[in-house]
Amino acid sequence: GENVEQHPSTLSVQEGDSAVIKCTYSDSASNYFPWYKQELGKGPQLIIDIRSNVGEKKDQRIAVTLNKTAKHFSLHITETQPEDSAVYFCAASEDRVNEKLTFGTGTRLTIIP
Amino acid sequence: DGGITQSPKYLFRKEGQNVTLSCEQNLNHDAMYWYRQDPGQGLRLIYYSQIVNDFQKGDIAEGYSVSREKKESFPLTVTSAQKNPTAFYLCASSIDGRVGSNQPQHFGDGTRLSIL
Repeated sequence: GENVEQHPSTLSVQEGDSAVIKCTYSDSASNYFPWYKQELGKGPQLIIDIRSNVGEKKDQRIAVTLNKTAKHFSLHITETQPEDSAVYFCAASEDRVNEKLTFGTGTRLTIIP
Repeated sequence: DGGITQSPKYLFRKEGQNVTLSCEQNLNHDAMYWYRQDPGQGLRLIYYSQIVNDFQKGDIAEGYSVSREKKESFPLTVTSAQKNPTAFYLCASSIDGRVGSNQPQHFGDGTRLSIL
């Protein structure tokens, strides 16, 4: 089955700087890669996703890049703000049998004012 | 407002008891999912349902049961057979769970289950 590794597990950046979180996946058949933001006591919120026929996608301060050859994808947050502080999860979907998502172990991002 | 409602937010269980966690969605989504989240870990799939009256086991189904009698409801029962039930349980839905659809999953705000 699919295995998703996520790094780093914790990340602290100065407000206004950029943050990058990286994930690798094992199954070359995976073709859908969402990113979720989870605040304390809440469920994960989808913030951006990318499909395997696209190399990069941007939405305001958030971007995701995908390298299918190397089997890794990354989340980039620019001009970070205090409200970006949260736990971020990457996931990969293998659609052989169902739309099952395999999640990374999460990155706790702290924005230092 | 459309969304996914999980209740209760906190739940306590005595040893040997079964408990049922509620998940309701008014998004008219076909597919629904249950995940378990433990501290410092990613989400792990317990059960999923692609359509009414159908459901499949996920990676960690042992000690859990589900039903899908209505499109909007997907309750999860944590049975006494689940040896380590303390966790944060998350319900999700997507508009279409069929192979190749790649539709986003949207989550509720979870139920935290603790053992007394």
